[in-house]
Amino acid sequence: AQSVTQPDIHITVSEGASLELRCNYSYGATPYLFWYVQSPGQGLQLLLKYFSGDTLVQGIKGFEAEFKRSQSSFNLRKPSVHWSDAAEYFCAVNTGNQFYFGTGTSLTVIP
Amino acid sequence: NAGVTQTPKFQVLKTGQSMTLQCAQDMNHEYMSWYRQDPGMGLRLIHYSVGAGITDQGEVPNGYNVSRSTTEDFPLRLLSAAPSQTSVYFCASSYSENLRETEAFFGQGTRLTVV
Repeated sequence: AQSVTQPDIHITVSEGASLELRCNYSYGATPYLFWYVQSPGQGLQLLLKYFSGDTLVQGIKGFEAEFKRSQSSFNLRKPSVHWSDAAEYFCAVNTGNQFYFGTGTSLTVIP
Repeated sequence: NAGVTQTPKFQVLKTGQSMTLQCAQDMNHEYMSWYRQDPGMGLRLIHYSVGAGITDQGEVPNGYNVSRSTTEDFPLRLLSAAPSQTSVYFCASSYSENLRETEAFFGQGTRLTVV
């Protein structure tokens, strides 16, 4: 069965520090992986996606993610966090019929 | 370009009442879906549609009905609201071709409280 795990419910980082949000997936076929961001009271916005090719993908707002098949992971990174990055982040796998989302990681940025 | 529009943004219902959450998209997407978001559970699929006249159940369909009479609209009906249906509801749409590679475009959500 397919599933997505985000082990960190909440992360706090200082502004300017680096960030890594973890995501592990379970899916029998080639995974089609996505990261979404949700600002308070808003819908979900796509940050980046991976389905083939280079395992390091670049997204919007300076985010990147690395696909590691051997670890079944698709971790999201940003070298220097801005206060506006405070939000909830969701990792998802797309099976074609639906997205399976992780439970989300809430990011707090302290000045 | 409006994208995916959901109405209403907020709603309070009494137990047993019925209502319809509206969703419309102007991107000519064939695929549309409804999710509910609950704390600690991420987003879970309620129903989806791959085109006008075609709908199917997702992970948590009980208590909800959908129909798809046009490409643009995909309303979600709560037949008899229960407190367990208190949640934030998101409508999403996607291009149908190469669905697995396609991102979903989300509406702003409807926050529903059932008392």
